[in-house]
Amino acid sequence: DAKTTQPNSMESNEEEPVHLPCNHSTISGTDYIHWYRQLPSQGPEYVIHGLTSNVNNRMASLAIAEDRKSSTLILHRATLRDAAVYYCILRGWNTNAGKSTFGDGTTLTVKP
Amino acid sequence: DVKVTQSSRYLVKRTGEKVFLECVQDMDHENMFWYRQDPGLGLRLIYFSYDVKMKEKGDIPEGYSVSREKKERFSLILESASTNQTSMYLCASSSPDRPGRGYTFGSGTRLTVV
Repeated sequence: DAKTTQPNSMESNEEEPVHLPCNHSTISGTDYIHWYRQLPSQGPEYVIHGLTSNVNNRMASLAIAEDRKSSTLILHRATLRDAAVYYCILRGWNTNAGKSTFGDGTTLTVKP
Repeated sequence: DVKVTQSSRYLVKRTGEKVFLECVQDMDHENMFWYRQDPGLGLRLIYFSYDVKMKEKGDIPEGYSVSREKKERFSLILESASTNQTSMYLCASSSPDRPGRGYTFGSGTRLTVV
């Protein structure tokens, strides 16, 4: 499985934008890039995904590099409720449909 | 609202006991997964199943087995629980023909083996 690399931790001030990076240099042409977040004492929840083009939804935006070897999750205005561990994973088309590897993720701290 | 439900939120078992962790999903997903999560180690895949009665080992299958008799239910079995299996266990499901769609996770079972 292709792996991703993320910084261990990041800090942000409330109401400011946050850019969470992810490197995936071994991504294949059919791998989707997914982002999840995990709040304390909960299972991970889906945030956003993309293949080649940048994506926006009500939670966040996803910016994908032209060579697809990296991506950035953008939280436009961080709130205290956005403090969580953020995971970037790859999901591809294969027979067993993507058992994906979750790394340690990035722990986001939001300061008031 | 679609759901993955894990039968217990917290569980305390004794060393040597046989432990069953149950997971049910209502999305008709073919794929189901069991992960464990420990501080500093991220989510590690124990087993996954891509169809009824089918299973494959993940990265850390030792000491565990699984059962998938029905599409909606995936059970994780600790044949003889040990203290090093104290952890958070997370179940997830997904659809194989929609990799653009992601995983749906349960809320987790925090297992303590004493």
